[in-house]
Amino acid sequence: RKEVEQDPGPFNVPEGATVAFNCTYSNSASQSFFWYRQDCRKEPKLLMSVYSSGNEDGRFTAQLNRASQYISLLIRDSKLSDSATYLCVVPMNTGFQKLVFGTGTRLLVSP
Amino acid sequence: EPEVTQTPSHQVTQMGQEVILRCVPISNHLYFYWYRQILGQKVEFLVSFYNNEISEKSEIFDDQFSVERPDGSNFTLKIRSTKLEDSAMYFCASRGGNYGYTFGSGTRLTVV
Repeated sequence: RKEVEQDPGPFNVPEGATVAFNCTYSNSASQSFFWYRQDCRKEPKLLMSVYSSGNEDGRFTAQLNRASQYISLLIRDSKLSDSATYLCVVPMNTGFQKLVFGTGTRLLVSP
Repeated sequence: EPEVTQTPSHQVTQMGQEVILRCVPISNHLYFYWYRQILGQKVEFLVSFYNNEISEKSEIFDDQFSVERPDGSNFTLKIRSTKLEDSAMYFCASRGGNYGYTFGSGTRLTVV
């Protein structure tokens, strides 16, 4: 299994739709997880952190299933501005916490 | 909000030339990183830097690469003899506490 694996998409959805992205990770010892958002040719920006079973922030919900080594991101009521690539990111449990990125899932929200 | 600043935003260089990519991390952060992203591919770890020395590096970070923190504020990545395959976005990042990563806006390196 790859360290961090995501469906690359693209996911094409209309405004207002609910969309979910999945991510699997290989290191069962990983304790925390992140979802980053990346716009074209821009830097990754932190969207959500997940430390326990899940996290919710407005329209965004992240869930963690440690038994299955699986993380999900749910976006409700999609906006045009949600169009971006969503990166699943797992910090390695070394002292210096390097981040391991998935390939990202591209989301296109259309009017 | 504190920022990580990278310069230049875009650098074009000829194959075989040396390039230096510059970063100013957030002032009270202690951990510094370089990542790169080849167009259409995932973000990859290059190197981490702590206490004025490299703490971890990836297989990508071979002898052509070096990092320095020359003056306590700047953090540089040098590529000694650039190759076409070094063309990528290079992101600097710094971290303070446990997970507070901040990325710079990146330098797009084009090797021709």
